[in-house]
Parts: sequence; structure tokens; C-alpha cells
Amino acid sequence: ILNVEQSPQSLHVQEGDSTNFTCSFPSSNFYALHWYRWETAKSPEALFVMTLNGDEKKKGRISATLNTKEGYSYLYIKGSQPEDSATYLCAPANSNSGYALNFGKGTSLLVTP
Amino acid sequence: NAGVTQTPKFRILKIGQSMTLQCTQDMNHNYMYWYRQDPGMGLKLIYYSVGAGITDKGEVPNGYNVSRSTTEDFPLRLELAAPSQTSVYFCASSQEGGYTFGSGTRLTVV
Repeated sequence: ILNVEQSPQSLHVQEGDSTNFTCSFPSSNFYALHWYRWETAKSPEALFVMTLNGDEKKKGRISATLNTKEGYSYLYIKGSQPEDSATYLCAPANSNSGYALNFGKGTSLLVTP
Repeated sequence: NAGVTQTPKFRILKIGQSMTLQCTQDMNHNYMYWYRQDPGMGLKLIYYSVGAGITDKGEVPNGYNVSRSTTEDFPLRLELAAPSQTSVYFCASSQEGGYTFGSGTRLTVV
């Protein structure tokens, strides 16, 4: 079981603000780092799967970076919109766990107009 | 393309009853998973499978059983339901990328 820490636990921003969250994980035997977006009453949806140190991925206004040597990943949202309101989960996998992910508790984002 | 389909969506069980949560996927994914979500606790892995005929325990397997006789199906069995098993259950599948989740089953044990 990988120890995954996400911060902050919750975040409330105004529409148009940019924001970022942190995911910390054990750096040993790193295999992959997943980010998911989870809206209330829906299922989690995959945002990014990252495997390489220094990797940066982008989808619209959302981007993520990865540092496997120090064991952290940042998720950035530029110009937050109310539809970005959701819980953002990160989930690392190491060479022992393979494809089975241990999810963090998530960062709950609320964007108000 | 239905993705991952879970049934039922809701269920109320009495203590000691048994039931099977169904999960099927049509993406020919080798990997399938069962998670439970408890308030404030995030998603906890119950069981997972890397292919037909192969299953393995996750973080919280006690009180559950699984089977994987086909690539498509990965049912989760509760033999003697307990109040501690009240939760929302998510099935997911993957190949080499991110997970595809089902819509969840909300189970209440009374």
C-alpha cells in the first residue's frame, strides 16, 4: 500500500482564478502517476497518466507536472470555471503494485462565479 | 461502446444476506478492479484481476470474494453482509492507460 498525500484537502476559488494542488508519494520503485477528476454523483474520469520524471501533460486549461525523484506531482488549473468544481484524485503505482492503484483522498475544488 | 457497466445501482441488504455486484466491460481490458468509497476515506482497493482466471487481494478484501472466468466480467460477492460493508462500490478496468470506472453501486446494509 503506497502512502499518498494530497494537499490541500479542499479549496474554494473564484471564477477566473488559477490554482494548483499537490500529490506526494513514495519515490522508490516508481512506475506511474495517475490524476483523476471526480464530479459529485458521477464516476472518476482519467485526466493524465504520467510515467517519466519531468513529464508535463496538458488538457485544455488543466496541466500536470511530475517529479519522480522527490515523489511529487502538481496539478494546475488555469482560469478556473464553475464546471471545474470536482474532487481531484491522484494515484501512484510502483513496480510492486503494477496496474493496481492506491488513491489519495483527493483535493475538493469549489469554483464560484 | 458501453464501457464499464455495473448493476445494480442501488441495493439495501439485511445483515447476513448475500449478494453479487455485477461488473462487465466491453473494451477487452485485461485489468479489472473493485474499489469501495467511504466518506472521507477515498477509494480503497478490494480486489483486482490481471486477466481471466487470475485475481488478487487489495487493501480491504475481508468479507468479499471475486471471480474472473471471462475477460469481460468481474463480479464481487458479499457472503454475509455486515453494516461495515455499507459503501459505494466502483468497478474499473484498464489496459495500459487510465482507468475506466463504472457508475457505482450504492449498498446499504441494515
